[in-house]
Amino acid sequence: DQQVKQNSPSLSVQEGRISILNCDYTNSMFDYFLWYKKYPAEGPTFLISISSIKDKNEDGRFTVFLNKSAKHLSLHIVPSQPGDSAVYFCAAMYTGANSKLTFGKGITLSVRP
Amino acid sequence: GAGVSQSPSNKVTEKGKDVELRCDPISGHTALYWYRQRLGQGLEFLIYFQGNSAPDKSGLPSDRFSAERTGESVSTLTIQRTQQEDSAVYLCASSLGKGAPYNEQFFGPGTRLTVL
Repeated sequence: DQQVKQNSPSLSVQEGRISILNCDYTNSMFDYFLWYKKYPAEGPTFLISISSIKDKNEDGRFTVFLNKSAKHLSLHIVPSQPGDSAVYFCAAMYTGANSKLTFGKGITLSVRP
Repeated sequence: GAGVSQSPSNKVTEKGKDVELRCDPISGHTALYWYRQRLGQGLEFLIYFQGNSAPDKSGLPSDRFSAERTGESVSTLTIQRTQQEDSAVYLCASSLGKGAPYNEQFFGPGTRLTVL
């Protein structure tokens, strides 16, 4: 059973527009959520995170929103740039445990020039 | 300083053979994780080491999988009698470990394992 779901496998947006990447989770024990970005042949790199006590965290062009009641989070990238083209993984964890991350399947973002 | 390194970067093996994958974490990182990513899937947690504590092996898919870590340095993941379903990218990550709600996990580039 997938505890972290990224239901859209891909997203294509025009440069300069907003990219919205969605993620749903089922485990109510999760209290920390992260987005990782991955380029081909490289390991994932941390992008942005949010604690369950918040509903928004912003870092430059990247904003993560958390809706606990809906068990849903989203990553907004604005404005999108061609260099943002990559696979984005949503991940969740329970900080009371051993910090192991549960990942979604990822979504491939393509930003068209 | 150097990031997490893994070797080999690619490994092709025949079904039934044993393989050993290596991870060198970032110096000073007490926590080390192994994940794998099969084609079209997300990353799956395999095992976690934290200092001298007993490792969390809850993600290992079968007893053919084992991992060791020497102190707070190198870790090796061993897969015995490999099967075709073991084909995946095996990723290692390290972090500073406990002491904060979350310590960022830094990932290596992975080892792509292909079992023929």
